Amino acid sequence: SAVISQKPSRDICQRGTSLTIQCQVDSQVTMMFWYRQQPGQSLTLIATANQGSEATYESGFVIDKFPISRPNLTFSTLTVSNMSPEDSSIYLCSVHRELSTEAFFGQGTRLTVV
Amino acid sequence: QQQVKQSPQSLIVQKGGISIINCAYENTAFDYFPWYQQFPGKGPALLIAIRPDVSEKKEGRFTISFNKSAKQFSLHIMDSQPGDSATYFCAAIGNTGNQFYFGTGTSLTVIP
Repeated sequence: SAVISQKPSRDICQRGTSLTIQCQVDSQVTMMFWYRQQPGQSLTLIATANQGSEATYESGFVIDKFPISRPNLTFSTLTVSNMSPEDSSIYLCSVHRELSTEAFFGQGTRLTVV
Repeated sequence: QQQVKQSPQSLIVQKGGISIINCAYENTAFDYFPWYQQFPGKGPALLIAIRPDVSEKKEGRFTISFNKSAKQFSLHIMDSQPGDSATYFCAAIGNTGNQFYFGTGTSLTVIP
């Protein structure tokens, strides 16, 4: 298995500000994934982050709003920029083991924008 | 477009009963079908998974039934317990990529 530490676990932010979420994995992984989980809804993939290259964003998500960094094989950050109440959600990072289809998740960051 | 459709949205079961959650997919390129369990304040955790070359997989009280021709799969929780109360997500992933497609989730409540 993979142990994923995600910080912060929750935050309440003012609209118009930005929040950076950190994701630390206990071993090296090629791909890291960022998801959004809105209340009572499924997980929606925001982007895939590979070390050494630009993140790949899914339809409906843009780099200006959700910039991602992937400085090494064990760490990534997701920033939620210029926040509005609509950004209130749980944000999750996820990894797959090499040659494995099993996905592991962090505990999530519960973001409330007021 | 929802790649994996899940039902019901919520489910209430008496302790000792059977909980059944259903999922359906369209993309025949999917070849791995996991179920995730999520407790409040936690990330999803893998519960059980199946590949389409088998029709059933059982681990303890949890069973996946898979119908390849119908493109449907379901999770059965036997002898449901209050500790099983959680949100369950089905998912699918294809053999050419790394992206998981998740169902919309089922909130299960097991009443003592």
